[in-house]
Amino acid sequence: KAGVTQTPRYLIKTRGQQVTLSCSPISGHRSVSWYQQTPGQGLQFLFEYFSETQRNKGNFPGRFSGRQFSNSRSEMNVSTLELGDSALYLCASSLNQQSTDTQYFGPGTRLTVL
Amino acid sequence: GQQVMQIPQYQHVQEGEDFTTYCNSSTTLSNIQWYKQRPGGHPVFLIQLVKSGEVKKQKRLTFQFGEAKKNSSLHITATQTTDVGTYFCAGSFTGNQFYFGTGTSLTVIP
Repeated sequence: KAGVTQTPRYLIKTRGQQVTLSCSPISGHRSVSWYQQTPGQGLQFLFEYFSETQRNKGNFPGRFSGRQFSNSRSEMNVSTLELGDSALYLCASSLNQQSTDTQYFGPGTRLTVL
Repeated sequence: GQQVMQIPQYQHVQEGEDFTTYCNSSTTLSNIQWYKQRPGGHPVFLIQLVKSGEVKKQKRLTFQFGEAKKNSSLHITATQTTDVGTYFCAGSFTGNQFYFGTGTSLTVIP
């Protein structure tokens, strides 16, 4: 099976712009979670989607949003980019919504905001 | 708020020495997962602990979950250069939302 794929792998934007990141989960996986990883804050949970519905949300401002499509692919959007949004954005897929399901991470999208 | 603390932040060891990283939470965890992230890579799932007092082994790696399900540890015996990376614990309190520890970056000196 192919692993989790994320596009693009690298992105450079300027402050005020918006960005959309894409994540394709492992075939058959229905849950997708998004994380932000920065050197100072580590891995922080953004949100989780299951069956096209946001099930959990982390403590991030409303500029961060996401969605999931019927084929389980997910996108996240960040509007009005700030310098502090520079980070590695990781998505993880799991089979279902059970906390005991293994999460498989994608390679991430490295976002740089200038 | 719910969070998982992890120590130490960095650990340098001579090849062949042992290594341990610890995670703890002030609130009882539903389960805890451990991940390894190589430099420039993404987190890779190592193991999951669910039961109170659970101990699991993977070759030179030993994982423990505390009796109260509030702490966990990862111990590596006789480290090798291939063990280099950052080790994260991730705890779940309810549902499928995981709180990651800040990670322990392991450097192995040959």
